[in-house]
Amino acid sequence: EVELLESGGGLVQPGGSLRLSCTASGFTFGSYAMTWVRQAPGKGLEWVSSISDSGVSTYNADSVKGRFTISRDNSKNRLYLEMNSLRGDDTAVYYCAKARGLVWYAMDVWGQGTTVTVSS
Amino acid sequence: QSVLTQPPSASGTPGQRVTISCSGSRSNIGSNTVNWYQQLPGTAPILLIYTNNQRPSRVPDRFSGSKSGASASLAISGLQSEDEADYYCATWDDSLDGWVFGGGTKLTVL
Repeated sequence: EVELLESGGGLVQPGGSLRLSCTASGFTFGSYAMTWVRQAPGKGLEWVSSISDSGVSTYNADSVKGRFTISRDNSKNRLYLEMNSLRGDDTAVYYCAKARGLVWYAMDVWGQGTTVTVSS
Repeated sequence: QSVLTQPPSASGTPGQRVTISCSGSRSNIGSNTVNWYQQLPGTAPILLIYTNNQRPSRVPDRFSGSKSGASASLAISGLQSEDEADYYCATWDDSLDGWVFGGGTKLTVL
């Protein structure tokens, strides 16, 4: 069964850092692009970052450029999101999602999400 | 404010047909395929329609998608109570070099 499991969320102070992980199973992880999408409380879905299957190409929303870094370790079937200089508006449930192929292909499998709360 | 425009709400009675629109521009819907996601309360989104009108095997054929120019729509026929959820359209935006989502449409089954 194809599965994605996020971890690493929690409560962090403004200006702090956090590293999210997404562990994949049930498919050849290194053959698919991956994406992080977040959802603030009571709000809609917002794209955060995407990474190609090899990890060579990355794409970031303007709202996180220079603060968040997406990466992957295909040998460990893991996707990461390094988040720095966190702000209150980064508070959200963060989902990792698998693409059907390349970065711009539909996200066909989503994890259950991990919650990040930025507050003093 | 979302790059893709969806109505915030839609409703219908059991058995009815409901459509949800998604409006974009040349750089997103006008240039790329559209996907639709269903999010039931308190759960993660799931892929409902991909490449404008393709359904994953687990999705009933009551759900269908279409695209014309820079707009797309999701149709749900034979509405059921379990269809009550939030629905999002999404596509790649060539100008932004990233994904864009609609603001979501909350579907209520009366």
